[in-house]
Order: sequence, then structure tokens, then C-alpha cells
Amino acid sequence: DQQVKQNSPSLSVQEGRISILNCDYTNSMFDYFLWYKKYPAEGPTFLISISSIKDKNEDGRFTVFLNKSAKHLSLHIVPSQPGDSAVYFCAAGGAGGTSYGKLTFGQGTILTVHP
Amino acid sequence: EPEVTQTPSHQVTQMGQEVILRCVPISNHLYFYWYRQILGQKVEFLVSFYNNEISEKSEIFDDQFSVERPDGSNFTLKIRSTKLEDSAMYFCASSEVQGGISPLHFGNGTRLTVT
Repeated sequence: DQQVKQNSPSLSVQEGRISILNCDYTNSMFDYFLWYKKYPAEGPTFLISISSIKDKNEDGRFTVFLNKSAKHLSLHIVPSQPGDSAVYFCAAGGAGGTSYGKLTFGQGTILTVHP
Repeated sequence: EPEVTQTPSHQVTQMGQEVILRCVPISNHLYFYWYRQILGQKVEFLVSFYNNEISEKSEIFDDQFSVERPDGSNFTLKIRSTKLEDSAMYFCASSEVQGGISPLHFGNGTRLTVT
């Protein structure tokens, strides 16, 4: 299933700088998108979401941008902190009458924030 | 903050045996899910459950799988006759409402190892 893709397996950033995580999708019917963070031995933790009718959503240090024409979304973390080091998953849902909560995940990007 | 709890954290079983993975969703949530992640692969949807019935299931969720909400708090996933390829991390999730973007809250997972 290649409907949601995170093409960068890893990203390394200096503390205080911006982290930009990218996600591409192929199914134009997706209704909403979410970003999750995952630490080892824990489940995914919800970070931020965006509806397909919006192009930006902001929550504290986290901002998600959606470019529907490019079928691309990105997560910006500013400023990055060492505690942000984790695997970040992009997920999409709501395509073509599927039930709520059926999410399609990307493969994840490992973010490392160096002090 | 309320959380989804899963037991056991690690389950080892022999091929052909039945396993039951248990989950206690967040108490006021109405929608329940199982996802799994095979090592090195994406997190993938198995099944969604609402109002005591399955809302949707993936093609992975064949006749060997079943879900149940036996009482007001537990949500279980049963695999009747485990196969080697069922080895994975199984995540339970719950969400509050349908409509808008009600994020899924995940438990820490059960690592199932089939030998």
C-alpha cells in the first residue's frame, strides 16, 4: 500500500532549529491527515491534524501545512528540542466512504535532534 | 491524562495456538480499533468497531481474527490459530466521536511472537 509515503527515513537537526518532515499521498479522496510521534516501546501519540479543506493548522511549536494540488503535507517543529527525537508518522483517512478511523500510515521518519 | 492500556505487553505463542490480546480503551470513547505493525513495515489497519459491531475490516482481518467487547470496558482481539506471519506489534486505539477529526489514541501495544 503506497498511498501515503514518507520518503525520508531519517532527519537530523540541531536543537533550536526547525525540523521539517514531509509526507506525500496519492489518493485525492483523503479527508483528513494526522501526524503521530512514536517513542520506542510506546504506541503512536497524536500530535496534530488537518482537514482537507484547510491548508494550515498550528498548535504551539507544531504546524502542519497541506498542499492539496501537490498531494503533499509537511510538519514543521520550531524550535526543535532533544525530546522531539522520535519516529514521526504521517497518516491519512476518510477516503471514499471508508469508516472513520481507518488510517493509512506512512512508513515513518526518524527525527534526531542534537543538543 | 486518560490512556489506552493493553495487556500483555509481550505474548509468545506456538503456531496454531489461539491468542487473545486485551485492551481497555479510554472510558468515554465510543470507537475502537486494532492496528498492527510487522517489524520493519508500516502500521496497518485491521478493524474498527462501534456500537458492538465491526464497522470495517481490512483484507488482513480474515476468519482467523475476531473482536469482542465482552463488557463495558474491555476490547479484545482473538487470533484463533496463529501463523508465523502473525508475529507483529498489535496496537489498540480508541476515539471519542465520529465527525470532525477526533484523533485516535493508541495503547503501547502487545508484541506477539509466534514460534
